[in-house]
Amino acid sequence: GDSVTQMEGPVTLSEEAFLTINCTYTATGYPSLFWYVQYPGEGLQLLLKATKADDKGSNKGFEATYRKETTSFHLEKGSVQVSDSAVYFCALNNNAGNMLTFGGGTRLMVKP
Amino acid sequence: NAGVTQTPKFRVLKTGQSMTLLCAQDMNHEYMYWYRQDPGMGLRLIHYSVGEGTTAKGEVPDGYNVSRLKKQNFLLGLESAAPSQTSVYFCASTAGGDTQYFGPGTRLTVL
Repeated sequence: GDSVTQMEGPVTLSEEAFLTINCTYTATGYPSLFWYVQYPGEGLQLLLKATKADDKGSNKGFEATYRKETTSFHLEKGSVQVSDSAVYFCALNNNAGNMLTFGGGTRLMVKP
Repeated sequence: NAGVTQTPKFRVLKTGQSMTLLCAQDMNHEYMYWYRQDPGMGLRLIHYSVGEGTTAKGEVPDGYNVSRLKKQNFLLGLESAAPSQTSVYFCASTAGGDTQYFGPGTRLTVL
């Protein structure tokens, strides 16, 4: 079946550091790929998405490129802020009932 | 427009007790989902619904039941709670496109 693998956290960075959170997937066909963010005490919010190979999703300074050749969708940000501290989830939708398959989540902690 | 709401926010149960979690959405979405979130395991799908009156099993359905009597509501029931059901439960909905919209979650502890 489909699966998503994320790097384990926590990831601890200083403010203004460069961020990469790795995500790879296993799926048949051509899934859509997502990054969701969960701030403390809240539900998940969509951060960005990409629906086909080589698409780049971007939002709030974050970006990720759908790489079919490496089955990856790594999340990057050039300069993180304390307010980016949250848990980040990579997910895919393979159009089977519009269901999402999630990775285990990566906690990001940004220190001033 | 409240989006997706969940009731209650917190609950503590004793083993064997029953309860119902309510999810409501005001976006006229067809699809609704119940997930549980456990440390290090991401979100796992419990049950889902593709429309009013329909339900289907997800990845971890055992010990749970659901009902979708009204399009805007999706209920998750625990008939006899067990400590293994201690978790944070999230409801989500979508119109049928890619993006799911999540509620704020219900933190359940079973003693």
